[in-house]
Amino acid sequence: AQKVTQAQTEISVVEKEDVTLDCVYETRDTTYYLFWYKQPPSGELVFLIRRNSFDEQNEISGRYSWNFQKSTSSFNFTITASQVVDSAVYFCALSGRGGADGLTFGKGTHLIIQP
Amino acid sequence: DTGVSQDPRHKITKRGQNVTFRCDPISEHNRLYWYRQTLGQGPEFLTYFQNEAQLEKSRLLSDRFSAERPKGSFSTLEIQRTEQGDSAMYLCASSLATVSGNTIYFGEGSWLTVV
Repeated sequence: AQKVTQAQTEISVVEKEDVTLDCVYETRDTTYYLFWYKQPPSGELVFLIRRNSFDEQNEISGRYSWNFQKSTSSFNFTITASQVVDSAVYFCALSGRGGADGLTFGKGTHLIIQP
Repeated sequence: DTGVSQDPRHKITKRGQNVTFRCDPISEHNRLYWYRQTLGQGPEFLTYFQNEAQLEKSRLLSDRFSAERPKGSFSTLEIQRTEQGDSAMYLCASSLATVSGNTIYFGEGSWLTVV
């Protein structure tokens, strides 16, 4: 069975602060994929990143960065210099069986960026 | 817009009525997924299609739910004899599964309220 845990239900920071969203996963598959999605109030799930289990390199995209550590089964997401537009619910998700499975989502972290 | 589109975006129905949602995936995507999301939770997998074949169904998909994807293009999700517990957002997603991975893109969702 697969499981994704996002222990932080809600985080509130002031604009321009850095913030890290935690994600811990469980799977028995040796090949799997990890994802982050953003869900603004409009409801659409916006794809942010996909990471393969065999690629542990960290990734940076503008103000976003991701830290994948297989040893601790974690895939954390950091937003640097947060902005009000970053306010949303962020979901971490896992796809097992080498990506053949659909996604197992965490419960999400509601990020509030205050001006 | 060439993303995943869903119709209708909102539906209010009386308990016991049937409802149908339509999803048009990103063109050339071979996989199509349906998820359900309730307030404060992450999306939960319902079913998915590879082309026109329905390959997997979640235990969440009761006998009152049926999904089709004729000709491997658009898909419909029908809920018969709706119950108040069916109130949720129904998300459709699509992907192009290849040897290099499977990135799943979501539509904006269809909100269902059963009164």
